[in-house]
Amino acid sequence: AQSVTQPDIHITVSEGASLELRCNYSYGATPYLFWYVQSPGQGLQLLLKYFSGDTLVQGIKGFEAEFKRSQSSFNLRKPSVHWSDAAEYFCAVARNTGTASKLTFGTGTRLQVTL
Amino acid sequence: GAGVSQSPSNKVTEKGKDVELRCDPISGHTALYWYRQSLGQGLEFLIYFQGNSAPDKSGLPSDRFSAERTGGSVSTLTIQRTQQEDSAVYLCASSPRTSGQETQYFGPGTRLLVL
Repeated sequence: AQSVTQPDIHITVSEGASLELRCNYSYGATPYLFWYVQSPGQGLQLLLKYFSGDTLVQGIKGFEAEFKRSQSSFNLRKPSVHWSDAAEYFCAVARNTGTASKLTFGTGTRLQVTL
Repeated sequence: GAGVSQSPSNKVTEKGKDVELRCDPISGHTALYWYRQSLGQGLEFLIYFQGNSAPDKSGLPSDRFSAERTGGSVSTLTIQRTQQEDSAVYLCASSPRTSGQETQYFGPGTRLLVL
């Protein structure tokens, strides 16, 4: 079964600083990979996803993520964080099949941004 | 267009009572998913619908949990004889088709508190 590890429970960065959130997955083949963001009291919003092809994917709000097969990682990055980026970030994996399947989520990383 | 909607947004119930949670997916979306988000367990998959059928019920935690979907649209998640450990946020998501590459769009959730 697939699994996802987000080793950082809580990260604090200063506004304008760069950000990297770590995500490692376990899956027998190349999975489908996702990053979602959840603001307080809100549902989950997709930031970006990776299925195949270029290992560096661009998402919304200036986020990007890089798939590294050798490290089983899919880390999320942003060059310059804004105060509005404070939220909880979830990495997720889905089975690489032709049909829809459930998402398996990591435990999340809560991002705090200091001014 | 309208996103995924869920009702009620909040529900407080007494232990032993039955509750029904409703999800209205985005119009035309074929696949519908239920997840649960709790402090102890994080984000967990419960059940997935393709049209009106449920190919994957593997995440339902006990036989007190059931779900149905009628007309390929609205879904109801029912919890019978609620227990305190059922307290969580129940999230619904939908996707346009049943391809594994489809983005799942999440609703705001129903926050359930069992006293």
